[in-house]
Amino acid sequence: DAGVTQSPTHLIKTRGQQVTLRCSPKSGHDTVSWYQQALGQGPQFIFQYYEEEERQRGNFPDRFSGHQFPNYSSELNVNALLLGDSALYLCASSLLRDREGTEAFFGQGTRLTVV
Amino acid sequence: GQNIDQPTEMTATEGAIVQINCTYQTSGFNGLFWYQQHAGEAPTFLSYNVLDGLEEKGRFSSFLSRSKGYSYLLLKELQMKDSASYLCAVLDSNYQLIWGAGTKLIIKP
Repeated sequence: DAGVTQSPTHLIKTRGQQVTLRCSPKSGHDTVSWYQQALGQGPQFIFQYYEEEERQRGNFPDRFSGHQFPNYSSELNVNALLLGDSALYLCASSLLRDREGTEAFFGQGTRLTVV
Repeated sequence: GQNIDQPTEMTATEGAIVQINCTYQTSGFNGLFWYQQHAGEAPTFLSYNVLDGLEEKGRFSSFLSRSKGYSYLLLKELQMKDSASYLCAVLDSNYQLIWGAGTKLIIKP
C-alpha cells in the first residue's frame, strides 16, 4: 500500500514564475492538506481539500491555489513566486469522516527553492 | 490568536530519559498530536491524546492536561536515532492542525 506520494522532490524556480506541486494521498483517504515548512519552523497550514473543494484555508495569499481531483489527488499552485516562498511543501492525507484521532500521513515533501 | 510553545532545542545523553513540553492556546481542542521529524524528511506520527492522562507506547509516552493546556512527550532509553525534531500539534475547533515550531533533540553518546 503506497503512502502519500509527492512530486517533484526538489524544484528550483526563478522569482516571478509559477509552480505546480502534486500529491497522491494514501489509499482510502479522502482529504488532502497542504503545509509550508520553512527551515527550523513547524508546518504552516495552507489549505485543505475534500470532495474536490477547498474546505479550509490558512493565512496565505491568493497566489496560493489548489485543486483536488475525483481520485482524491491534489495539486498546489503558486503564482508570481517570491524568494520567501522557498520552503518544504508537505502534503498530508487523512479521512475527514473519521475526525477524532485522525492521523495525518505526510508525503516526503517537495523542496522548493526560488532564486 | 492561536499559539503553541515548545522549547527550541534540548540535549540529552544516550540511554537517558528526556521530557519535551508543549503548551497551547487554541480556539477549541479536538486532540493533540506529537510527530517526529528527521532533518529533510516528512513528519511521522508518534502519538495522539484527546483525554487527560498518560498514553504509553513502547519507549515513548505522551501526557495531556486539557485544563492546563499542557502536554509532554517522554522518551526513555534514548538512542542516537532519536535525534530529530519533535513537533506538537493541536487539532482546533475546525479540525485544523495548528503546529508548534518543533523541539530539536540532540542525543550525545
